[in-house]
Amino acid sequence: EAAVTQSPRNKVTVTGGNVTLSCRQTNSHNYMYWYRQDTGHGLRLIHYSYGAGNLQIGDVPDGYKATRTTQEDFFLLLELASPSQTSLYFCASSDAGTENTEVFFGKGTRLTVV
Amino acid sequence: GDSVTQTEGLVTLTEGLPVMLNCTYQTIYSNPFLFWYVQHLNESPRLLLKSFTDNKRTEHQGFHATLHKSSSSFHLQKSSAQLSDSALYYCALMNNNAGAKLTFGGGTRLTVRP
Repeated sequence: EAAVTQSPRNKVTVTGGNVTLSCRQTNSHNYMYWYRQDTGHGLRLIHYSYGAGNLQIGDVPDGYKATRTTQEDFFLLLELASPSQTSLYFCASSDAGTENTEVFFGKGTRLTVV
Repeated sequence: GDSVTQTEGLVTLTEGLPVMLNCTYQTIYSNPFLFWYVQHLNESPRLLLKSFTDNKRTEHQGFHATLHKSSSSFHLQKSSAQLSDSALYYCALMNNNAGAKLTFGGGTRLTVRP
């Protein structure tokens, strides 16, 4: 069964702190995505990738870095966390490019910056 | 860049009435994939419908939508709302010319009351 696993599920950090959110997929998908979800804004794309070593800039990239170390693993880095980055973060993976394209989401990481 | 516009904010319906959630999109890519995702409370988004083919109706779990490239629309419909349909609905566009960038609309919260 398709799986996208995010860790941690909850994280509290202080302003200026350093945070890494992890995502691993076992779907053999080439594409992976990081989104943040905020009331009134929906799901906004931060960064995405179509393979190990590749990184594409999303729509709200400021304050975020990302790295795709393997086909399975995609990390989101907040090097100087700010309260505005308090949000629910979702990772997703996709086998884009085929007629049977599927996109699967992880369960989310709730980040609070105090 | 790509954009997706949905019926604004909150829709409240009485059980048994028809559901129509609007979705229009903008992209210069001629072959976008369009998706509808549903997100129930405290869950991650789950695929409801998808389409790649112009003017072809796609159905799942009582919902249906037709991609109309001429009007850049992919409206979600259901003939009779159920209480269990109460959820957050997202329309999304995948652009395979941009590394499978997946852009979501702002979301529409559907509440079905008895």
